[in-house]
Amino acid sequence: SAVISQKPSRDICQRGTSLTIQCQVDSQVTMMFWYRQQPGQSLTLIATANQGSEATYESGFVIDKFPISRPNLTFSTLTVSNMSPEDSSIYLCSVLKGGVEQFFGPGTRLTVL
Amino acid sequence: AQSVTQLDSHVSVSEGTPVLLRCNYSSSYSPSLFWYVQHPNKGLQLLLKYTSAATLVKGINGFEAEFKKSETSFHLTKPSAHMSDAAEYFCVVSFSSNDYKLSFGAGTTVTVRA
Repeated sequence: SAVISQKPSRDICQRGTSLTIQCQVDSQVTMMFWYRQQPGQSLTLIATANQGSEATYESGFVIDKFPISRPNLTFSTLTVSNMSPEDSSIYLCSVLKGGVEQFFGPGTRLTVL
Repeated sequence: AQSVTQLDSHVSVSEGTPVLLRCNYSSSYSPSLFWYVQHPNKGLQLLLKYTSAATLVKGINGFEAEFKKSETSFHLTKPSAHMSDAAEYFCVVSFSSNDYKLSFGAGTTVTVRA
């Protein structure tokens, strides 16, 4: 298994600003993922972040809006840039371990005013 | 096209009665299938997974699911619901063994009546 922490756990931000979310894993992993869960909805994959390469973004998500860093095998950050109220969501990171299983962090609840 | 569909947005059961959450998928290949649970204000927890071994998969907390390839279904069941089972349940599919991306169903909200 994997123990994942995220910081901050929640935040309230003003529109037009940016927030960087951190994801820390207790062991080295190759593949990390970032998801968004909009209010009352399911999870949508934002991007895959592998150490040593550029993040791969899903359709509808772009690097300018959601830049991702992956400096080592236990850490990643997701920045939500130039925020608007539509960015209010829970953002979750996950890691791949044990073949196909993904373990999820507790999430960061973001509210944009 | 690849997709995952949870047939019920909300399921309400009485404590002690069976729970059935339905999930269908569409894929040209045999995918990996998962059920995750999300309790209010909590993180996602894996209940069980199917990755091409036995078609009847047993998970945690008394849940199990059966993979039926002919019906492209992966329904989740529990013989006797407990109050603590009240949560959001997601059927999740990994369509590719190369990139491990997960596609989430819309979710089923389970309420348990005393």
